[in-house]
Amino acid sequence: DAGVIQSPRHEVTEMGQEVTLRCKPISGHDYLFWYRQTMMRGLELLIYFNNNVPIDDSGMPEDRFSAKMPNASFSTLKIQPSEPRDSAVYFCASSPGGVRNTEAFFGQGTRLTVV
Amino acid sequence: GENVEQHPSTLSVQEGDSAVIKCTYSDSASNYFPWYKQELGKGPQLIIDIRSNVGEKKDQRIAVTLNKTAKHFSLHITETQPEDSAVYFCAASRGYSTLTFGKGTMLLVSP
Repeated sequence: DAGVIQSPRHEVTEMGQEVTLRCKPISGHDYLFWYRQTMMRGLELLIYFNNNVPIDDSGMPEDRFSAKMPNASFSTLKIQPSEPRDSAVYFCASSPGGVRNTEAFFGQGTRLTVV
Repeated sequence: GENVEQHPSTLSVQEGDSAVIKCTYSDSASNYFPWYKQELGKGPQLIIDIRSNVGEKKDQRIAVTLNKTAKHFSLHITETQPEDSAVYFCAASRGYSTLTFGKGTMLLVSP
């Protein structure tokens, strides 16, 4: 398996524009997570899905952020409109699930810069 | 919810020395404690983990210890090498729940 695949790797956009980040989890994994990483706040969980259903989105900072998982092999994180403070590295991770299978496999991340 | 504190934030050692990173957690129900290594430009990758029914686990040059009474766990790296230089994250979870990460430790191993 190629691992968790994220695209794009880098995104530079102007304030106010819509940004869509994409993720393909590892096949067979039941859980998908979106994290945001900044120097100040470290790794923050934004939202996670179990079997394509959003379970906890309490980490989503504002209504400008939304995430979808239309099927088991694809998820998106959308920011609309984007703001400079959204600049960060966004990671997608997937996990097999189950009590004894909690290892999270991370993608390479998308570095977002909002100018 | 769970809160994980990690220290130090940066750690510089000479090649061959040992490095120790410590974490504390707040939720006594947490039972799974992984450590992740993040190299520059990459996502975090699991290097070792420990569950609450075990006090210590070792894998070659790395080891993790857990003290459930004190609610702290530590990562030990012996005979450090330059390729060990990276950011290390500890995390805690209740098993089914999501991982709560510490803020990370930047380890620099000088030749």
